[in-house]
Amino acid sequence: NAGVTQTPKFRVLKTGQSMTLLCAQDMNHEYMYWYRQDPGMGLRLIHYSVGEGTTAKGEVPDGYNVSRLKKQNFLLGLESAAPSQTSVYFCASSYSDPRAGVNTEAFFGQGTRLTVV
Amino acid sequence: DAKTTQPNSMESNEEEPVHLPCNHSTISGTDYIHWYRQLPSQGPEYVIHGLTSNVNNRMASLAIAEDRKSSTLILHRATLRDAAVYYCILRDWGYQKVTFGTGTKLQVIP
Repeated sequence: NAGVTQTPKFRVLKTGQSMTLLCAQDMNHEYMYWYRQDPGMGLRLIHYSVGEGTTAKGEVPDGYNVSRLKKQNFLLGLESAAPSQTSVYFCASSYSDPRAGVNTEAFFGQGTRLTVV
Repeated sequence: DAKTTQPNSMESNEEEPVHLPCNHSTISGTDYIHWYRQLPSQGPEYVIHGLTSNVNNRMASLAIAEDRKSSTLILHRATLRDAAVYYCILRDWGYQKVTFGTGTKLQVIP
């Protein structure tokens, strides 16, 4: 099983360049998330989606945009990259349970290491 | 948001049990307690979660205090592969924003 797949795994950008990170899940999950993790820090939520065609802001949304045109894909875009966006980006997905709501297991990708110079 | 407090680091000898504590004194009645771990250079991995009762699975046990203001993740026999950062997280029934703290870095000594 592929689970959650992130593309690319590594990328170096110059300041001002744009790029899109792709997250794909094959588990038919409703919910998808993008996090960033800076050195020695925990994960911070950038944006999330509760279903196809819907997105919402997390803790640190500035400088990022997202889209979820298909249920299995969640795209994270950087329109004009800045050195402060150097980080490791993780995508995750999860499902909803009738009894526990969002309290189910979340599956994470292996991460994308982005360096902005 | 209800917050959690964990020790920055802990050590354990291999094949010994490990008890990882988490304080969440402002927990609400509808918050579930989740634990994830992150091995070096990998994405977080789900460990266990619970609401009120103690929970067991193949990876670990979760002991929840009667007043729910604290919980303990129990690894019954630590192995070198259990060396990771362990995150204790609270999550409301329908609340999507999940906050990860800095977690506890567990070192396992051979």
